[in-house]
Order: sequence, then structure tokens, then C-alpha cells
Amino acid sequence: KNQVEQSPQSLIILEGKNCTLQCNYTVSPFSNLRWYKQDTGRGPVSLTIMTFSENTKSNGRYTATLDADTKQSSLHITASQLSDSASYICVVSAGSYIPTFGRGTSLIVHP
Amino acid sequence: SQTIHQWPATLVQPVGSPLSLECTVEGTSNPNLYWYRQAAGRGLQLLFYSVGIGQISSEVPQNLSASRPQDRQFILSSKKLLLSDSGFYLCAWSEDPLTEAFFGQGTRLTVV
Repeated sequence: KNQVEQSPQSLIILEGKNCTLQCNYTVSPFSNLRWYKQDTGRGPVSLTIMTFSENTKSNGRYTATLDADTKQSSLHITASQLSDSASYICVVSAGSYIPTFGRGTSLIVHP
Repeated sequence: SQTIHQWPATLVQPVGSPLSLECTVEGTSNPNLYWYRQAAGRGLQLLFYSVGIGQISSEVPQNLSASRPQDRQFILSSKKLLLSDSGFYLCAWSEDPLTEAFFGQGTRLTVV
């Protein structure tokens, strides 16, 4: 069964600090992995998308990494801002099937 | 550019009443369309997806149904709402299952 597990479930950090969110998956055959940011009460917005051959992809202060061998991905946020407070969702696609969503990590950035 | 519209933004309905949520996409043709539900503190759960007009696939058996009367219109319905139908409903579209999905702003449904 395709599964996507994210950790931690929630995270609180101070403004300006860095943090790393984790995503482990058992989806097969792997097609791509996406990270979404979801502000409270809004729809998710895509941050990055990575295919099998990509190890790192950046989008401003967000950097995603992918290790296809260990089936792990991380999302690193640098110099966090208050606006980074949101839920971060890892989504993995297998072949042409509907993608599998993780439950998300809730990030709170305090001033 | 493509845009997705979903309405209403919030809805409070009594138990046993019908439901109709509408989603439309502009600026693209033959999109893949999806309805998701997000319960409080939970991840996104795929309810229905459609690859074309009149083609609906259900992922989870439930009290809800979906229809796609036009290429860029996707409707989520229920004949009789249950308390457990409360949640945050999101419509999304993509060019195909492998590409990025673009989400609407969501509908917060509270069944009382």
C-alpha cells in the first residue's frame, strides 16, 4: 500500500531560525515528489516538485532534497518568517495513479 | 493563465439537508479534476476524481457524489448531510495525475 509519512506532526520555532521537515514514503513505482504549503483555511500551494533524478530543488528560502534510494525527502526552511506559519504537505506520485498525500507538518513561527 | 473557482467559502447546513458545492476552472481544457476533504487535524483525503466529462471515479464510499456536467465544471453533492460530513472541502485541477495540482480556496462545511 502506498503511504507517505511526515514528521514531525507539529513544530514551533522562533522567527529567523532554520528548520527541516521530513517525509518518508513507500510509494512505488516512484514518479515525483511535491511539497505544498497550506495556509490555514486556504488551499495548498505548490513549493517544489522533484523527479527521480533530482536530489535538490530550491524555491527561495525553501530547499527540498530527495533520496530515492532511502525513499526520504526533506524540506529545509532558512531564516524563517512569520508568514512561514502553515501546514507543509508532502505528496508522492506513483506511475499514473492518483498521488498519495502525507498528513502534513504544522509549522508555527513565533516572533 | 489558469484559475480555479470554488464556492461558497463557508457553509452551515442542518443534518439531513442537501449539499451542492461547485468548482470551475478557467484557462485550460480537459483538466483532471479532484474533490478532497480535509478533516480537522487530518491530511487531505481524495473523494472523487474525473478525467473527462461524465467520468467520475470514487475513492472512498460515502454519503457524497460528484458530477462533471461540463469540461471545466465539477460538482460535489449530497442528498442528506450527516454530521460526519463536516470538514474543509477542496477542489483541484491538474493536466494529468503526475503534474502539479492547483487547488481552489476551499469550502468550510459545518453540519449542525
